[in-house]
Formats: sequence, structure tokens, C-alpha cells
Amino acid sequence: QKEVEQNSGPLSVPEGAIASLNCTYSDRGSQSFFWYRQYSGKSPELIMSIYSNGDKEDGRFTAQLNKASQYVSLLIRDSQPSDSATYLCAVSRDTGRRALTFGSGTRLQVQP
Amino acid sequence: SQTIHQWPATLVQPVGSPLSLECTVEGTSNPNLYWYRQAAGRGLQLLFYSVGIGQISSEVPQNLSASRPQDRQFILSSKKLLLSDSGFYLCAWRTRQLNTEAFFGQGTRLTVV
Repeated sequence: QKEVEQNSGPLSVPEGAIASLNCTYSDRGSQSFFWYRQYSGKSPELIMSIYSNGDKEDGRFTAQLNKASQYVSLLIRDSQPSDSATYLCAVSRDTGRRALTFGSGTRLQVQP
Repeated sequence: SQTIHQWPATLVQPVGSPLSLECTVEGTSNPNLYWYRQAAGRGLQLLFYSVGIGQISSEVPQNLSASRPQDRQFILSSKKLLLSDSGFYLCAWRTRQLNTEAFFGQGTRLTVV
């Protein structure tokens, strides 16, 4: 079992729709959770971080965390073609190395 | 504000040649530093991390090594590159504080030929 699992996609949504990206993780000791966006050939860019159960909203983005289910999601409202990218889910403990463990990413395509 | 510099952006090296990739962080002190590698179409694999000067931990056995000669400098090296060393190498930093994010450099695209 992979430590962080994501559907590789591609997830295709029309412009203006809601894109829903999901991620599950295996380490119950994980305390920090992140979503990064990565355009082809570029380095990952932080979109959202979430540290406690529930929802966190930032503009068109909402991250949702359910530690009991070991599940993290990202909602993108009013999707734009510029949102087309690979979205990486990452988790970490806040002790020891504190390194992020990444999923393999979900490719999102927003159709104009 | 904090920034991270990583160079070079692209590199083409022959098999058996040495490698040195450098990463520096500005605007913070005593960060945790990380080297990741991303194979084409794959997720990020942690290669090395460092919690302080001279302190390096390796996550996977491989042909690479890392060093941290200064607080905000992290170097990835190899004495002899293999074809399998090709990939996108990313340096990242994170503060010691709880509930903080990790930030990445621009990455180095390494092609071993």
C-alpha cells in the first residue's frame, strides 16, 4: 500500500465547474496536510495547507481533512483553464525529519 | 521574505561524470532542508534531509550523496552518474515551527546520456 494515494486521472471538468480531488494516507501519525499544484516542467507550488479536521477555504479553493478516515480533499470552485495542472497531495508528521510524503498526483484538465 | 535558489535549471551530463547541484535559502535560519527527485510522470521521492549543518540523513540507497556545509546551503553530489539518475531534482526547505509549509526551489532537470 502506498503511503499517500491519489487517483492519477486525468480528471476533466468544464470551465466554471467544481473540481474535486481526493487523497488518502496511511500514516495515522500525520499531522500536516498540503496540496501543491505543479505545472508541467515546473516545481510544485503550495495551494493549501490544513492541520485540523474540517474545512479550510482560501478563495476558490477549499481543503477538507478527516483524520479518522485518513482522507484529504481539495475542491476548486469556478475552475479555470489555468487550473489545468497536476495536483499533489502531501502529508507529514511534525516530529523528526518532518519531510513531506507525496502522492503521485492527479492531473486536472479544465475544458474551455 | 524567504526565498530559495536552486541551480542549474537544466543539466545534460554523460554517464560516469560527476554531479553537483546547489541550493541556498535566504530569509530564514536553521531550516530543515530536503532533496527530492521526481521521475517523469511520478510523485516526489525524498532522497536526503538535513536538520542542521553537517547533519545528513539518506532515505534511499543510491549513487548520490548530500552535504550541508552552511546553515542555508544544501548540495547534492555524485561521483559517477548513472542513466537512472536522470530526473527532476527539487530542493525544499521548511522551518522548525509546527504547522508550517515546505517550499520548493525551481528544480534542476538532469538528463544523463
